[in-house]
Amino acid sequence: DGGITQSPKYLFRKEGQNVTLSCEQNLNHDAMYWYRQDPGQGLRLIYYSQIVNDFQKGDIAEGYSVSREKKESFPLTVTSAQKNPTAFYLCASSIGEINSPLHFGNGTRLTVT
Amino acid sequence: AQSVTQLDSQVPVFEEAPVELRCNYSSSVSVYLFWYVQYPNQGLQLLLKYLSGSTLVESINGFEAEFNKSQTSFHLRKPSVHISDTAEYFCAVSPSGGYNKLIFGAGTRLAVHP
Repeated sequence: DGGITQSPKYLFRKEGQNVTLSCEQNLNHDAMYWYRQDPGQGLRLIYYSQIVNDFQKGDIAEGYSVSREKKESFPLTVTSAQKNPTAFYLCASSIGEINSPLHFGNGTRLTVT
Repeated sequence: AQSVTQLDSQVPVFEEAPVELRCNYSSSVSVYLFWYVQYPNQGLQLLLKYLSGSTLVESINGFEAEFNKSQTSFHLRKPSVHISDTAEYFCAVSPSGGYNKLIFGAGTRLAVHP
């Protein structure tokens, strides 16, 4: 079955460490996205990529970095510069057309102490 | 810029009762509208969408939403809820021009009690 796989489901890190969240899709979608979810704030867009080797900042990109070297992969690195990294991170993909719905992975819950 | 307001953060309801989850949006351009559902510790799943045509759209599990352009609303309704409908529901908009970029509301937690 096609879908989006995020790993790991739970991730714990010490403050000051960089950490990379994995996102892989086998839907052959061109576009991929990273959202951050915090209680009571809904989803906020971190980065998005319309095509391989290209990506754009979303609304809250500071302290994060991404790469898009392959169509099926869009890893997110949470750097030590991110001031409040503890959150639920969701990866999504779409065919990229303006009215196309997003398909989401099951998320990674990151806890930084 | 677009924005989405979900007027209720939590909605408690008894099983088999009707429910309405409210969503208002603001936009200077035409938009596409979506409702997503999220079960605990999972990603979001598309529930229904309005792109054009009939202003009333339905999902396969009994939910419906009506696009009201004059009131800039896209409220979600179900005439009789089940325990399994307990989840968080997100309203989202996407501008009709430019790149496919969804803007989400803060979510409404629907709690169905027996």
